[in-house]
Amino acid sequence: SQQGEEDPQALSIQEGENATMNCSYKTSINNLQWYRQNSGRGLVHLILIRSNEREKHSGRLRVTLDTSKKSSSLLITASRAADTASYFCATASNSGGYQKVTFGTGTKLQVIP
Amino acid sequence: DAGVIQSPRHEVTEMGQEVTLRCKPISGHDYLFWYRQTMMRGLELLIYFNNNVPIDDSGMPEDRFSAKMPNASFSTLKIQPSEPRDSAVYFCASRRSGTATYEQYFGPGTRLTVT
Repeated sequence: SQQGEEDPQALSIQEGENATMNCSYKTSINNLQWYRQNSGRGLVHLILIRSNEREKHSGRLRVTLDTSKKSSSLLITASRAADTASYFCATASNSGGYQKVTFGTGTKLQVIP
Repeated sequence: DAGVIQSPRHEVTEMGQEVTLRCKPISGHDYLFWYRQTMMRGLELLIYFNNNVPIDDSGMPEDRFSAKMPNASFSTLKIQPSEPRDSAVYFCASRRSGTATYEQYFGPGTRLTVT
């Protein structure tokens, strides 16, 4: 199975509500990243949290990391229709002296105006 | 900066034909990644290069797939012969080592359809 698995697979909310997506992984990591993908486009990096960090903020984004539970969450506050996209977590771990990044299965978020 | 450039954006080909996808990474980036995205399998890392050298090709599905990076500004992913199950969106991404964010910059992708 994949290193990162997002939950839920799909999420539909009203504009202005908060959206929370979760990511679980299996092995130890150096850092965890979140990316966004708009329909028909490439992925765009949102935020990175290191293994020794527990929480990080960037604008309306809040990321938490619990290494004991091997899980992370992405919270988008006061959602907007433009936040409609798929969101992926990506775990980074050491592999042969390099950092290998593995993407999860993604959560499809729909924000209804 | 133009970002990561991929060509073609769309490719439709018949089974058995050779397909070549191209990528130009962002100038100064020393890592280059090739991914494949399908509904069934999600986003899969096929291969990545560092300083033009292939580091990990364990994600390349079969010998029909090959990738090259002859110089720092160009890479190709070739499928020969192509099969319908190769239909997917292929992304190229690049990043620069030594950055704190480890951010990968993705290209717009090539949508491949093999009939």
